[in-house]
Amino acid sequence: GAGVSQTPSNKVTEKGKYVELRCDPISGHTALYWYRQSLGQGPEFLIYFQGTGAADDSGLPNDRFFAVRPEGSVSTLKIQRTERGDSAVYLCASSSNLAGGRETQYFGPGTRLLVL
Amino acid sequence: AQKVTQAQTEISVVEKEDVTLDCVYETRDTTYYLFWYKQPPSGELVFLIRRNSFDEQNEISGRYSWNFQKSTSSFNFTITASQVVDSAVYFCALSVNAGNNRKLIWGLGTSLAVNP
Repeated sequence: GAGVSQTPSNKVTEKGKYVELRCDPISGHTALYWYRQSLGQGPEFLIYFQGTGAADDSGLPNDRFFAVRPEGSVSTLKIQRTERGDSAVYLCASSSNLAGGRETQYFGPGTRLLVL
Repeated sequence: AQKVTQAQTEISVVEKEDVTLDCVYETRDTTYYLFWYKQPPSGELVFLIRRNSFDEQNEISGRYSWNFQKSTSSFNFTITASQVVDSAVYFCALSVNAGNNRKLIWGLGTSLAVNP
C-alpha cells in the first residue's frame, strides 16, 4: 500500500502483559516516529528513528517502553508490564529525508490499545 | 516557550457556512514549519498543509484556505461552504529544532461539527 500501515488496529490486553505494536512506513521513508494520543489530546511524541537508529527517544515515558527498527523499515513498539494508564491510540508516522520533504510526517491509522 | 494554542475547543456550524479555525504559536526558532492535520472519526491523522516560516503567502486549496501572519504568530485555517464531511478534529502543529530531530509541537485540536 502507499500509506503508513499499523497492526493490529485494536489490541485489548490485561494489566501486566507484554504487547507489541507494528508500523510499516511509506516505502523509501527513512524517518519514522511513534506517538501516543489520549482522548481529547494531541499526539504525544515518543520516539524518532532515522534509519535503524533511535535518534531521539526522549518521549518514551519509562523503561517499560522500547522500540526497534532493525532493518530501517518496519518498526515495533514494545510495552512491557502494561498498565491501565498505557491505554491510548498509538500512532506511527514516517517522513522522507529528501530536502523539502523531511518536514512532513504522514500518519498511519493507529493502534487502539486498551489495558484492562 | 514553544507552544501551539488552539483556543477553540469545539465549533458547531450548519452546512454551507464558512468557518475559521484559529492557531497561535510561540517559538524561539527563526526557521520553523507550521502544519494543519485533520483527524476524522476514523482516527487517522490526515496531512493538509505545511508552511515554512519564510513563506507568508496565503494559500487556497479548493474550499480550504490558510492565513499565515508572522506579525501575530498565527496560522488560521478557513473552510468555505462547509460540508458534513468536514466534521473532524483539526490540529495545528509547529515543527521546531530539537537536537538531531525536528519535533512537532501540537495544539489540543478543534473539534468541528458540521450539521446538515
